[in-house]
Amino acid sequence: KAGVTQTPRYLIKTRGQQVTLSCSPISGHRSVSWYQQTPGQGLQFLFEYFSETQRNKGNFPGRFSGRQFSNSRSEMNVSTLELGDSALYLCASSLMGGGVHSYNEQFFGPGTRLTVL
Amino acid sequence: EDQVTQSPEALRLQEGESSSLNCSYTVSGLRGLFWYRQDPGKGPEFLFTLYSAGEEKEKERLKATLTKKESFLHITAPKPEDSATYLCAVQARNSGGSNYKLTFGKGTLLTVNP
Repeated sequence: KAGVTQTPRYLIKTRGQQVTLSCSPISGHRSVSWYQQTPGQGLQFLFEYFSETQRNKGNFPGRFSGRQFSNSRSEMNVSTLELGDSALYLCASSLMGGGVHSYNEQFFGPGTRLTVL
Repeated sequence: EDQVTQSPEALRLQEGESSSLNCSYTVSGLRGLFWYRQDPGKGPEFLFTLYSAGEEKEKERLKATLTKKESFLHITAPKPEDSATYLCAVQARNSGGSNYKLTFGKGTLLTVNP
């Protein structure tokens, strides 16, 4: 069974630009969560999508948004990039989600390394 | 505000030298506590889920335990391939009460020397 895939793996952007990251979950998984990982703040939860609906959201500004398609693939968008957005962006999929089962046995992708210059 | 603190930040062991990693938490309404392992350049790998105080889970040389305030990850007779960053995370209800949020600790970097 293929694991979680994320594209692109590396990305370099400049301040003010926007970026879209893609995540394909494990086949059959319906929940996709996104995380930002930085050396200073560690892993921080961005949001979770289940059945094409955002079910949970972390404490990030509105510049960070996402969506999920009917095939469970998900995209994350960051608009008006800032230097502080440089990070490893991870997505994780799980079989169930949308509530109390949202985070159980999540499988993470390798991440997208975003550098903002 | 929910807090998750892992200690120590870094731990260096000799092969075969058993030890424990700590994850202490302050949350309202714990739903679950998760342990992950992360290797450099990779996403975290799920290890365990613990739901209630007194629960224990084991996998090879790893054993996770949970109390009302903290969790321990015990590593018995570690091998160099156990070297990684170990992360814990807690799931609890959002302040609004309708959803759940996940809060991670900053991890313990474990190095096992041969």
